[in-house]
Order: sequence, then structure tokens, then C-alpha cells
Amino acid sequence: GQQVMQIPQYQHVQEGEDFTTYCNSSTTLSNIQWYKQRPGGHPVFLIQLVKSGEVKKQKRLTFQFGEAKKNSSLHITATQTTDVGTYFCAGHLGYSTLTFGKGTMLLVSP
Amino acid sequence: EAQVTQNPRYLITVTGKKLTVTCSQNMNHEYMSWYRQDPGLGLRQIYYSMNVEVTDKGDVPEGYKVSRKEKRNFPLILESPSPNQTSLYFCASSSGTVRDTQYFGPGTRLTVL
Repeated sequence: GQQVMQIPQYQHVQEGEDFTTYCNSSTTLSNIQWYKQRPGGHPVFLIQLVKSGEVKKQKRLTFQFGEAKKNSSLHITATQTTDVGTYFCAGHLGYSTLTFGKGTMLLVSP
Repeated sequence: EAQVTQNPRYLITVTGKKLTVTCSQNMNHEYMSWYRQDPGLGLRQIYYSMNVEVTDKGDVPEGYKVSRKEKRNFPLILESPSPNQTSLYFCASSSGTVRDTQYFGPGTRLTVL
């Protein structure tokens, strides 16, 4: 069935290193959302991308939406321990449903 | 404070004993949904509701029921829970449609023995 694939599943970095997670869909997405879930917490909305080729920045976080609207990425520059958590992408494959990727768990060592 | 609340936060029950997990939002949101989160599987949508009295199945609806009698409440009902429904459950709401920002509740950790 239609899916949103996310890689890597897990990444462990040293504080100060960069981090990137990738999201791919087999079908064109109308838009894509990114969420962050801290350990023991609930998903919290980060951003939504709508336009082909769109790039948005939030401080050290850079989000991109592919030209074909089938892939997206989240890049964190110079990670900090506060970046620890699981990052999910979510795409609208159906009219009223939201399909989440399986998430990338980020661990940052000081 | 704008929020989505869920109760209970933790529940341990036995197979076959009916239970309800409540979800309430105070943001006058039209769209509400339930997800389950399992290790390695991410978040999967169980049911969603686009408005009062309008509900529909998500990706994994088997074994669950929902109702939307009021705009603010969207309870999740397990008529006969089974161990494979042991999971972390999240309720979420958004202002208009699923395309808007999803606001998640704190989660309910359910264990079915």
C-alpha cells in the first residue's frame, strides 16, 4: 500500500555534529509535515511544506520538500542535547488521512 | 490553555474487558483522530472524525470503535481488548482538516494482559 518511508531509523551523533533524516513517498504528496517527539512525550508539530522545492528554516533546522513532492528532508546543523528525540515526517496520501513515517530517533552525546 | 487531554494516562486491563479512553479538546477543532504508536512501526491512524457524527476508518481500525457526539470529545472504545492492542495511544485534533497542524494529547499507555 501507499507508504511514507523514513531513514535512518536511528542515529547517534556527538554534540556539534550535523544530522539529517530523509522521508520518501511512492506517490506525490500534497504537502508534508514534520513532528518531533521527545522521549516520553507526544509528537509536536514543527513545520509544514506545501510547494515543490520549498525550503524553510527554523534556527538550526532546515526543511526541504523535493521538486517532485515525493521526498523531504530535515537537517539539523550543530546538534545540541536538546535535539534528542524522534523526528517524524507525515504526508497526506488520502483526502482525510495523515500517514506518518516510522521516525528517526536521534541521540546526541555531550 | 489550548490543549488535548486524554484519560486515563495509564491503564492495565485484562483480555475481553471493555474499556474507553477519553479524548477532549478545548480549541473548537473540527478534525480529530486516534493513533497508536508501537516500537518500529511509528504512528498509525486508527480512526478519524471530520466533524460531529462523521467518523471513518484509518489504517488500523480493527478492534476499535469511536463516536463523535460532541465537537470537543472523541472517545476510543475497545469492546473486547486483546494483548495485541497493548500500545501507546494518542489522540490528535486540528482546526479544519487533516492538512492543518495536528495537536496531540499526552498519550495513553495501555497494557492488555
